[in-house]
Amino acid sequence: EAGVAQSPRYKIIEKRQSVAFWCNPISGHATLYWYQQILGQGPKLLIQFQNNGVVDDSQLPKDRFSAERLKGVDSTLKIQPAKLEDSAVYLCASSPRTGPQPQHFGDGTRLSIL
Amino acid sequence: RKEVEQDPGPFNVPEGATVAFNCTYSNSASQSFFWYRQDCRKEPKLLMSVYSSGNEDGRFTAQLNRASQYISLLIRDSKLSDSATYLCVVNRPTSGTYKYIFGTGTRLKVLA
Repeated sequence: EAGVAQSPRYKIIEKRQSVAFWCNPISGHATLYWYQQILGQGPKLLIQFQNNGVVDDSQLPKDRFSAERLKGVDSTLKIQPAKLEDSAVYLCASSPRTGPQPQHFGDGTRLSIL
Repeated sequence: RKEVEQDPGPFNVPEGATVAFNCTYSNSASQSFFWYRQDCRKEPKLLMSVYSSGNEDGRFTAQLNRASQYISLLIRDSKLSDSATYLCVVNRPTSGTYKYIFGTGTRLKVLA
């Protein structure tokens, strides 16, 4: 079974530029999550999709972050404009459905803001 | 106070030692519990789910105490390859869906 795919693996941009990340979940997984992980901390949920609908985006900084999952499969996360504090690893995860079950993570995108 | 708390460590132990990590959670509505392992610059990977009756997978034993709201992970006969950060994860219902809450992780270094 193919795992969660993410790209790019690394991205370096200057502050105020924009950046986009892509995620393709495990086939058949209805629930998709985007997390931000800052060095030394646990992952922090940014947004959760159930199919193509948003079920939780309470911690997404909506003035600069946006995400979509138009066809209920792959997803993109965008930051515009980027700030220095956005330097982090952005992890995508998926699970078969929402509920008390484990989720599976992609390799992540390491973002550095100069 | 964080909803899921872990001792950040690092725990430095010799090969062959037994080491235990604890994790406490504050929301009594929490339903499912997991331990994830995260290697440096890698993604978290599921180590094991934690069941009410306790469960074991080889050298790893996980236990849950709902009354006291803590989860533990015991590693026996530590190997160098066990060096990693161990994340405690709690899953609970919220606003019609379920949410995963991560601890900050406990770093383990197994020394030769």
